[in-house]
Amino acid sequence: QKEVEQDPGPLSVPEGAIVSLNCTYSNSAFQYFMWYRQYSRKGPELLMYTYSSGNKEDGRFTAQVDKSSKYISLFIRDSQPSDSATYLCAMSGYAGKSTFGDGTTLTVKP
Amino acid sequence: EAGVAQSPRYKIIEKRQSVAFWCNPISGHATLYWYQQILGQGPKLLIQFQNNGVVDDSQLPKDRFSAERLKGVDSTLKIQPAKLEDSAVYLCASSSNRGPSSYEQYFGPGTRLTVT
Repeated sequence: QKEVEQDPGPLSVPEGAIVSLNCTYSNSAFQYFMWYRQYSRKGPELLMYTYSSGNKEDGRFTAQVDKSSKYISLFIRDSQPSDSATYLCAMSGYAGKSTFGDGTTLTVKP
Repeated sequence: EAGVAQSPRYKIIEKRQSVAFWCNPISGHATLYWYQQILGQGPKLLIQFQNNGVVDDSQLPKDRFSAERLKGVDSTLKIQPAKLEDSAVYLCASSSNRGPSSYEQYFGPGTRLTVT
């Protein structure tokens, strides 16, 4: 079993929809939770990171962490075609080593 | 601020040949990472440097992969000899050494390696 499991998708939504992306994990030592966006043939780009449990909002993006359930989510409001990409969750303990999920591919249709 | 630079962007080699990748991190970033990303999977950490020293190389196949970071700046990753299963994108990332920023990793565009 992988330490980080991510809904594989692919996910296709109409423009303007609310998108929910999720990951579960098994390692209780994870304290930092990150979401990266990766466009085709590009490197991952950090969207948001959250420390411990709770919510964090940045524009149209909201990250949620529930450590009791070992479950994290990324919500995208008013999704745009430019949001079409692969979204990777990543998690880290205090040592700084990040473990990534395998990504969910999102397509937002105009 | 200039991003993480990598070269070459693409490389095609035959199995059993050797190949090297180069990375220049963001100026001032003490930590440098090399990841392997196989198609359809997330990045897998190969090696992490802090300045000149190796922090974690537990997933580096040391019989064929080697990496160095001279003077705590640029880094090279080498594969010798290459196998078919080494076909992947090799990503370099860097991060600051200070507080929560150490968890914000900045990635380069990657080197796409095809082994035939």
